[in-house]
Amino acid sequence: GENVEQHPSTLSVQEGDSAVIKCTYSDSASNYFPWYKQELGKRPQLIIDIRSNVGEKKDQRIAVTLNKTAKHFSLHITETQPEDSAVYFCAARYSSASKIIFGSGTRLSIRP
Amino acid sequence: DTAVSQTPKYLVTQMGNDKSIKCEQNLGHDTMYWYKQDSKKFLKIMFSYNNKELIINETVPNRFSPKSPDKAHLNLHINSLELGDSAVYFCASSLGQGTVGYTFGSGTRLTVV
Repeated sequence: GENVEQHPSTLSVQEGDSAVIKCTYSDSASNYFPWYKQELGKRPQLIIDIRSNVGEKKDQRIAVTLNKTAKHFSLHITETQPEDSAVYFCAARYSSASKIIFGSGTRLSIRP
Repeated sequence: DTAVSQTPKYLVTQMGNDKSIKCEQNLGHDTMYWYKQDSKKFLKIMFSYNNKELIINETVPNRFSPKSPDKAHLNLHINSLELGDSAVYFCASSLGQGTVGYTFGSGTRLTVV
């Protein structure tokens, strides 16, 4: 079925350390994987995305990796800062219905 | 200039009432969506319209009826509101239905009492 699993559900890291969030998807034809950040009381905002013809993409302190064979993709945040505290959602586009299915979210807290 | 705007931001209403949420985007996008975010933060797609045509209709109770008068607007009407309808409803838009990200509105927090 259409499913995106996301782990962990909560993550607490020391400021300056790295954070990794992992997701798996079930549709092998999925070709687009965006990541959204949602701060408390605000809208989800796209922070980075990756398409299935690429294995890795980086934007400053944020990077995303994709393993199509294993149907895994991950978000890596390096040198974490207090403003990185938020809920992060992975998502996958299911080609059969042209819709984006979201993971269940990871609440990331950065300890000072 | 708000790219995707929703009104109202907050809505408190009694069970059994009928209410509408409006969404407008000024990005020139041709596809719009309604997502529901429950108390556990799950974001679940409800509907999608492309150029005023309904393309996604998830298993949502038929008390929920979307309407798209033009490609810049997508409204959501809810009849006979129930306690379980309490959630944050997000409108979103995109250019096409392909490998593109969505721009979300600021959300409407619906509380049914």
